[in-house]
Amino acid sequence: DSGVTQTPKHLITATGQRVTLRCSPRSGDLSVYWYQQSLDQGLQFLIQYYNGEERAKGNILERFSAQQFPDLHSELNLSSLELGDSALYFCASSAGTGLGDEKLFFGSGTQLSVL
Amino acid sequence: GENVEQHPSTLSVQEGDSAVIKCTYSDSASNYFPWYKQELGKRPQLIIDIRSNVGEKKDQRIAVTLNKTAKHFSLHITETQPEDSAVYFCAGKAAGNKLTFGGGTRVLVKP
Repeated sequence: DSGVTQTPKHLITATGQRVTLRCSPRSGDLSVYWYQQSLDQGLQFLIQYYNGEERAKGNILERFSAQQFPDLHSELNLSSLELGDSALYFCASSAGTGLGDEKLFFGSGTQLSVL
Repeated sequence: GENVEQHPSTLSVQEGDSAVIKCTYSDSASNYFPWYKQELGKRPQLIIDIRSNVGEKKDQRIAVTLNKTAKHFSLHITETQPEDSAVYFCAGKAAGNKLTFGGGTRVLVKP
C-alpha cells in the first residue's frame, strides 16, 4: 500500500457526462500529480499541484480540470466525456518541494469506462 | 518540452539472462531519470533513479547508466527472474517540473 488513496476504483458512465475523481495523498506529502494511462499506453502527465497551487501542466484537455484543496486532497473533473477518455487515471504524491525530481507514490488508480 | 522515447516496446528473455532497456531524451536540461515498474493490474512503483551528476547507479540486480552527451539512459537487469516480468517505464524531468514518461517496455521472463 503506497498510502495514496484514490476513489472510486471503477467508474462507468455515458458519453457527455461529467465525473469527479478523488485523490488523497500520503500523509505529509504536499504534491499531487495526475496521470492518464490508456490501454497499452504509457503514462501521460496531466497536471501537478503543490500545496494548493498548480505547479505544472501537461497535455490536459480543456474539458478536464483539477484542483487541490486546503486539506491537500485533489479532485480531477472530467466533463463532456467521450469514448476516448476511457482510461486508468492515476494520482501520485511526493514529499519535498514538488519540483518533479522526487519519488512518486502512485495510488491504485480509477478505471474510467465511457460507454 | 521534454520528449522521452523508450526501446524496445517488448522484450522476452530467458530466466537468468540479462535485460536492457534504453531511453533517449530530448531536453539537455533534464536532470532526473527514474525507472518505474508496473506489474499487471498494479500501480507503478519506483525501482531506481539517477541524477545528472552521476553516470551509473546499482541496486542489487538492477543498474542504470546515464550518458548525458548522447542524451540516453539505460536500465540493466541481471540474472532475470520470473518476478521481473512487468512493464517498465523510464522518465525524464526537465524544466517546468514535468516528469515525462516513456512509452513503456513489456518484459517477459520465460522460465
